This record gives sequence, C-alpha cells and structure tokens, in this order.
Amino acid sequence: RKEVEQDPGPFNVPEGATVAFNCTYSNSASQSFFWYRQDCRKEPKLLMSVYSSGNEDGRFTAQLNRASQYISLLIRDSKLSDSATYLCVVHGSSNTGKLIFGQGTTLQVKP
Amino acid sequence: DTGVSQNPRHKITKRGQNVTFRCDPISEHNRLYWYRQTLGQGPEFLTYFQNEAQLEKSRLLSDRFSAERPKGSFSTLEIQRTEQGDSAMYLCASSLTGITDTQYFGPGTRLTVL
Repeated sequence: RKEVEQDPGPFNVPEGATVAFNCTYSNSASQSFFWYRQDCRKEPKLLMSVYSSGNEDGRFTAQLNRASQYISLLIRDSKLSDSATYLCVVHGSSNTGKLIFGQGTTLQVKP
Repeated sequence: DTGVSQNPRHKITKRGQNVTFRCDPISEHNRLYWYRQTLGQGPEFLTYFQNEAQLEKSRLLSDRFSAERPKGSFSTLEIQRTEQGDSAMYLCASSLTGITDTQYFGPGTRLTVL
C-alpha cells in the first residue's frame, strides 16, 4: 500500500465548476499536511498547508480528518488557470525532514 | 529572485557514464533535499541535509548515488555508472527549520540516459 494515495484522474470540469480531490495517508504519526500544485514540466509549488480546523484561501479549501487519515481539497469556481496536477503531501514524523507525495491528481478545466 | 536554482536543467548521457547535478538553495535555508520524479508519479525522497550533515537517505539511493553539501550551502548529487532506469527529473528543495519548515523546490534537472 502506498503511504499517500490519490485518485490520479484526470478530472475534466467546465469553467466555474466546483471540484474536490481526496487523499488518504497510512502513517498515523504524520505531523504536517500540504497540497502542492505542479504544472506540466515544472516544479511543485506549495498551494496551501492543511490544518485540522480546515483552512481556506480564496477559492481553495483544505480539510484534514486525522481520525480517518483523510485530506481533501475543494476548488470552487474553477478557472482555466487551475488546470494542473495537485499533489497531496504528508510530512512524515517529527524526526524526519522528508515529504511523502501522492501520485497527484490531474485537473483539466475546459472553457 | 533568489529561489532555489539547479544546474544543468537538462542532461543527456549514455549508459555507464557519471553525471553530477548542482543545487543552490535559498540563501538563508539550512535544510536541503533531493527528490526524484518519474512521469506520472509524485516526487520520491532521496536524501536531505541540515547544514552540511546528511541526516537521512532513502533506500532508493543506491550505492551509485552520492550527495554532498560540503559547506552547508550548495549541494551536488552524483550518479555513477548511469542506467536507463535513472532517467527522471531530479528536484532539489530547501527549507528553514522552524514552525512551518516549508520546502521550496527548484526547477529540476531532467536526466535522460540513452
């Protein structure tokens, strides 16, 4: 079983749609959680951190459920520029610096 | 902009050759990470440094791979006797230890082994 699992998609949605991505992780000792965005042939860039209380940044909302070991990302009012791969990322435990990435979920927003 | 930089951006080599990549982190960052990414997959952790000390290495990092960060600033990743399976994007990231320890990635070095 992979440490971080995501549905690779692709998700094809029209502009203005709301789309949700989910992710599960296996290590209950994981400390920190993130969503990174990666455009084609570019480096990953931090989109947002994910907190137990949930957090929102404009059209983007992230949620963490520690009991279910589940992370979500909701994108409202999708824009063409949202087309990218969204990587679910877990920071191991406190004594490791490594990030563990999911496979990524590809989003294609169409006009 | 003084983000993470990596050189070269692309490298094509023949099987069996040695290659070396360089990463320059964000100047005040004390941690530096190497990841490898193949098509359709998320990045996989290889190793990381805190200052000049190499603190963790993945089992993915075979004996043919070696990384250094001699003065706690830039880092090099060397692959000896390259194999076709080494073809991938090699990503470097840096961070500053603290509350968030957010990792910022460089543009990567794309390696093609023929």
